[in-house]
Amino acid sequence: ETGVTQTPRHLVMGMTNKKSLKCEQHLGHNAMYWYKQSAKKPLELMFVYSLEERVENNSVPSRFSPECPNSSHLFLHLHTLQPEDSALYLCASSQAPGQAYEQYFGPGTRLTVT
Amino acid sequence: SQELEQSPQSLIVQEGKNLTINCTSSKTLYGLYWYKQKYGEGLIFLMMLQKGGEEKSHEKITAKLDEKKQQSSLHITASQPSHAGIYLCGAEGYNFNKFYFGSGTKLNVKP
Repeated sequence: ETGVTQTPRHLVMGMTNKKSLKCEQHLGHNAMYWYKQSAKKPLELMFVYSLEERVENNSVPSRFSPECPNSSHLFLHLHTLQPEDSALYLCASSQAPGQAYEQYFGPGTRLTVT
Repeated sequence: SQELEQSPQSLIVQEGKNLTINCTSSKTLYGLYWYKQKYGEGLIFLMMLQKGGEEKSHEKITAKLDEKKQQSSLHITASQPSHAGIYLCGAEGYNFNKFYFGSGTKLNVKP
């Protein structure tokens, strides 16, 4: 247990569906991150939030929409995804942005787009 | 952008054997991090290296950063089945919000 939880752990959705991934951290951290991990590709940083404000958006398609209502919760809203979006989506948190070595990762959500 | 190349991509070793994983950067590293990931799960931080020539150890795992700060190696001594997983190196970019990972090395240890 790292103090970062993600739900659901597995998700299968069609290309026309709308779903959301949820991340919650119980560590009192101020920064939260979404990563995408595809097979045989490097882990990709998608979004960074600091104190509920988005500070980084790494050219992610608009079909991925993040939301950070408070410093403990982070969502990733998904709509009209493509099969190539199938991947493991990891959430992480750290005390502050830029403290990459102190990121605590959740177990991930395995997403399959059919 | 910064690219991190890891080798080998996968590795199968007999329990008790030593092994080395390499991580090579396209640019000078300002901070190099090693993580371990169990299959399909999140990453666990192992070690951070910042200075050229730096070496750190934790239990049977040793990580080194070369003097030029463009290559790091992770060495496991007397491997055990508990060492199995995916090892990833990561590095900070010029922007502290930019963080890059290698594609990982999948390690299996046969009992």
